[in-house]
Amino acid sequence: GQQVMQIPQYQHVQEGEDFTTYCNSSTTLSNIQWYKQRPGGHPVFLIQLVKSGEVKKQKRLTFQFGEAKKNSSLHITATQTTDVGTYFCAGPRSNQGGKLIFGQGTELSVKP
Amino acid sequence: SQTIHQWPATLVQPVGSPLSLECTVEGTSNPNLYWYRQAAGRGLQLLFYSVGIGQISSEVPQNLSASRPQDRQFILSSKKLLLSDSGFYLCAWIGVGTEAFFGQGTRLTVV
Repeated sequence: GQQVMQIPQYQHVQEGEDFTTYCNSSTTLSNIQWYKQRPGGHPVFLIQLVKSGEVKKQKRLTFQFGEAKKNSSLHITATQTTDVGTYFCAGPRSNQGGKLIFGQGTELSVKP
Repeated sequence: SQTIHQWPATLVQPVGSPLSLECTVEGTSNPNLYWYRQAAGRGLQLLFYSVGIGQISSEVPQNLSASRPQDRQFILSSKKLLLSDSGFYLCAWIGVGTEAFFGQGTRLTVV
């Protein structure tokens, strides 16, 4: 079945270092979404990418959607302790409307 | 704007006891509603989704059931909990082509 894979599963960085998580879908996606879940909290929507090759920025966060619309990445420049949490990518299931398939997430820890 | 209420926030239940988690949505009508489960340190597993009153689809066979008695109400239930039912349960509203709005979640521990 359709799968969304995310790597790495865990990433430990020193504050100020960069961080990247990668998302790969087994099928072409109409859009890709990214969410952040703080420890003990619920996932919160960050951004949606729709166009092939699209790049969007939110302050220190850069989101990219691959040309084939099957992969995506989230890059954080100069991590801060407030970036701690789990980052999920999600894509709509093929031909099934609003159902979202989530990647397994990348848990980011930042050492001050 | 859409608001999702989910309760209780935490729950400790003995094995074999029943379960009822409730989710209500405000700010939208006829929402598509979803129940996800997140095991410790894991991703989000889709359990059930509903496109309307009385319409429930199950994603995986399990010890749980769901009901949609009202347009903005989605309930997750179990008759007899298992240890493996422990996890973080999240209710979500997802529009077609839009993002997911999650409730605060219920952290269930079965002992």
